[in-house]
Order: sequence, then structure tokens, then C-alpha cells
Amino acid sequence: GESVGLHLPTLSVQEGDNSIINCAYSNSASDYFIWYKQESGKGPQFIIDIRSNMDKRQGQRVTVLLNKTVKHLSLQIAATQPGDSAVYFCAENISQAGTALIFGKGTTLSVSS
Amino acid sequence: DGGITQSPKYLFRKEGQNVTLSCEQNLNHDAMYWYRQDPGQGLRLIYYSQIVNDFQKGDIAEGYSVSREKKESFPLTVTSAQKNPTAFYLCASSTGTGKGTNEKLFFGSGTQLSVL
Repeated sequence: GESVGLHLPTLSVQEGDNSIINCAYSNSASDYFIWYKQESGKGPQFIIDIRSNMDKRQGQRVTVLLNKTVKHLSLQIAATQPGDSAVYFCAENISQAGTALIFGKGTTLSVSS
Repeated sequence: DGGITQSPKYLFRKEGQNVTLSCEQNLNHDAMYWYRQDPGQGLRLIYYSQIVNDFQKGDIAEGYSVSREKKESFPLTVTSAQKNPTAFYLCASSTGTGKGTNEKLFFGSGTQLSVL
């Protein structure tokens, strides 16, 4: 698999590799975090979310890791497939604040066969 | 089939013209949002509404207006005051109510607005 440092705009991997997409969030008071996948010309689709009382959460082929000490969030995709090619966004919010999600700039994942 | 419907998918605006983007949801969500997305960029918040007849400005509200007369509908008007309106506009909704917990956003398929 391939890992990247704090936010890179693009990530290229081979089919079957594990992908790691990183995100640095801005507000230390944020307690809700979420990852979205956006395919070209479409709206973002929910992948997985995590609250600040957890440091890891797993879904189907995806894992989100949260490190509150350094305000860092990562999305791990196992056995990456060509259908995973898209732009991935992280977003943060403060629950109970009545505000809206704040999105990062996104990472474009390209998967080659 | 529940979801969020945005229309039209493509919209062209002449200089000095106001245009309105439609967003309808049948998810029974209280909160609705409008985001703007420029090429290669993240999503920036224009307006959001936590409840009917109430809405708040986001980070880039200038040149836009909204209304929330019905729970299901949250139309966005791009006014002539918005000098650079070309972008992909995304509407979203969530179950969040007032100052309650924030749930995940469900997005529509977007409207691409271009200037003639």
C-alpha cells in the first residue's frame, strides 16, 4: 500500500493496493468527522463517520482513524478497486453547535489496473 | 424512492440576470444546506437552514439568497450581484434540528451553473 503525508491533492495506486488518504482538520473543538466520495459530475456520497470519543472505526473495506492530539484524520481503503477512483473529502463539525459541516479541499484517488 | 432532487442539472445565466436553483427533499429532514464547488476545490457553504422559515448565512453568502417556506424545499437564487457565479452547486439535507446533533449530510446530484 501507499501512504501519504498531510494532505496531498492526488494519490495514484495500483488495483489491489491499500490506500491511505490523510486530512488535517482545523478546529480542536470539532467532535464529529466524516468522509465523502465524489465521482465526477455527481454529489458527494457518505463513506464513514466517526465521533471524537473514538479513535478508530471500520466499515466495509474502509477504516477511519482519528488522532485528536495532532488534529489528523485518515481514511484507509483496503484492496483498492478501479471503482474507488474519485475525489475524497473529509469534513468536520461541532455537534450541538447548530452549524454546518466544514469540508477540506479533497484528494483525487486514481486506481490503475 | 427517497432522496434529494436538484434541478436543473445544467443552467446558463445571462449577465445581470437572477436565476433560481431548485432543491427538494422527501427525507423528512429538518436541515438543508447549499454548497458551492469550484473546479479542484472543496465545498464552501453558502446558506443553511435548520428549520422552516429560518436560515443562516454561510461563508460565501454575498450575491445569493434563499427561502425556506416549506420543509421539503430550499431554493437558491443566484443574483446579479454574484459576479463570478460559474460553479457546481450542491444541495444537502440532514436530520439535525436547531442546535441538536449534526448528522451526516445527504447530497443531491448538483447543478452546474455557467455564465453566457
